[in-house]
Amino acid sequence: KQEVTQIPAALSVPEGENLVLNCSFTDSAIYNLQWFRQDPGKGLTSLLLIQSSQREQTSGRLNASLDKSSGRSTLYIAASQPGDSATYLCAVCTQGGSEKLVFGKGTKLTVNP
Amino acid sequence: DGGITQSPKYLFRKEGQNVTLSCEQNLNHDAMYWYRQDPGQGLRLIYYSQIVNDFQKGDIAEGYSVSREKKESFPLTVTSAQKNPTAFYLCASSIPGGQAGSPLHFGNGTRLTVT
Repeated sequence: KQEVTQIPAALSVPEGENLVLNCSFTDSAIYNLQWFRQDPGKGLTSLLLIQSSQREQTSGRLNASLDKSSGRSTLYIAASQPGDSATYLCAVCTQGGSEKLVFGKGTKLTVNP
Repeated sequence: DGGITQSPKYLFRKEGQNVTLSCEQNLNHDAMYWYRQDPGQGLRLIYYSQIVNDFQKGDIAEGYSVSREKKESFPLTVTSAQKNPTAFYLCASSIPGGQAGSPLHFGNGTRLTVT
């Protein structure tokens, strides 16, 4: 059974700092991995999707990497801003289609001005 | 703008009553999903539908029911058989599988409180 772990559960950093969020998964036979952002009381917003054949994806100040063999992904946020404060979740898909996404519990990020 | 609309945002019910949560999307997505989110836990899949008039149970379907009569709509009924219905419910949609996965689009959720 696929399990997804995100460490740390919470992270507080000063504005401007570069930071890395971690995601690990137990079954390396994945189709893709997705990173989401969730603001308090809101739904999830898709940030990046990395297909199993890819090593990384970039969007603006965000860069996500994937190492299937070690069961790890990282989300790198450059030059963090207070507006980046949110909970970041990763999810892995272990068969075709999003119906089998397994989510981690998320990392709550606080960027202090 | 295209998106997913969940209503209501907050819902209060007495124990023993069935309640239906609405989810409508105008993204022209074939696949729709219902997740439940509890504090300290990851999202858990309740039901999903890949096409109109068809749906499958997720990991925690007991005490829930769904219908998919229209492509745009995927309502979730929380029945009195659900032991712990108080939670944050999230609806999502995507282009269906077979394309090695596509990003999920989420609504803003419905917070259900049952007393």
